[in-house]
Amino acid sequence: ETGVTQTPRHLVMGMTNKKSLKCEQHLGHNAMYWYKQSAKKPLELMFVYNFKEQTENNSVPSRFSPECPNSSHLFLHLHTLQPEDSALYLCASSQDREQPQHFGDGTRLSIL
Amino acid sequence: GENVEQHPSTLSVQEGDSAVIKCTYSDSASNYFPWYKQELGKGPQLIIDIRSNVGEKKDQRIAVTLNKTAKHFSLHITETQPEDSAVYFCAAVLYNQGGKLIFGQGTELSVKP
Repeated sequence: ETGVTQTPRHLVMGMTNKKSLKCEQHLGHNAMYWYKQSAKKPLELMFVYNFKEQTENNSVPSRFSPECPNSSHLFLHLHTLQPEDSALYLCASSQDREQPQHFGDGTRLSIL
Repeated sequence: GENVEQHPSTLSVQEGDSAVIKCTYSDSASNYFPWYKQELGKGPQLIIDIRSNVGEKKDQRIAVTLNKTAKHFSLHITETQPEDSAVYFCAAVLYNQGGKLIFGQGTELSVKP
């Protein structure tokens, strides 16, 4: 039990599909993050939310759309993805931006 | 620019030996350095961290050292065990950019029994 739960754990979708990834944290944290982890590459920060407000978007294509309805939940909506978007998508949370981040186990996404 | 370099990319040791992973960073404003362990099929797990007001921190078989002048920090694992096998990531937080966490490329550690 990591305190950060991601669903689904695995997702296979076609390029024209629409799907959403979900992240839930039970740690009472105020900051939440989406990362992309591709093979042979460092973790890439995608989005940051602090107190439900998006504070960072690292030049992520618009086919990825985040949503943070409250401090405990974070979504990543996917639409018209490309094969190069296949990766492990990790969610993390922290008490605030200056505290350690705790990660979920990720969603393994495969685009056909 | 912001950059964290990590070496080696792979490391194989015999059970009981020590393992050392090294990282360098480019921004002198960095002052928080966490280390993560990622096992197969899992997310990264924080194993130890250090802030710039100390030069070394130890937790049982794991220790981290920091040299702020040279801008490098290292993870030391002693008496390695097969369950230490995983990918290890160093990271540096850039407080002057709102606490952005920059990761190294990862080290795949294999401990052979």
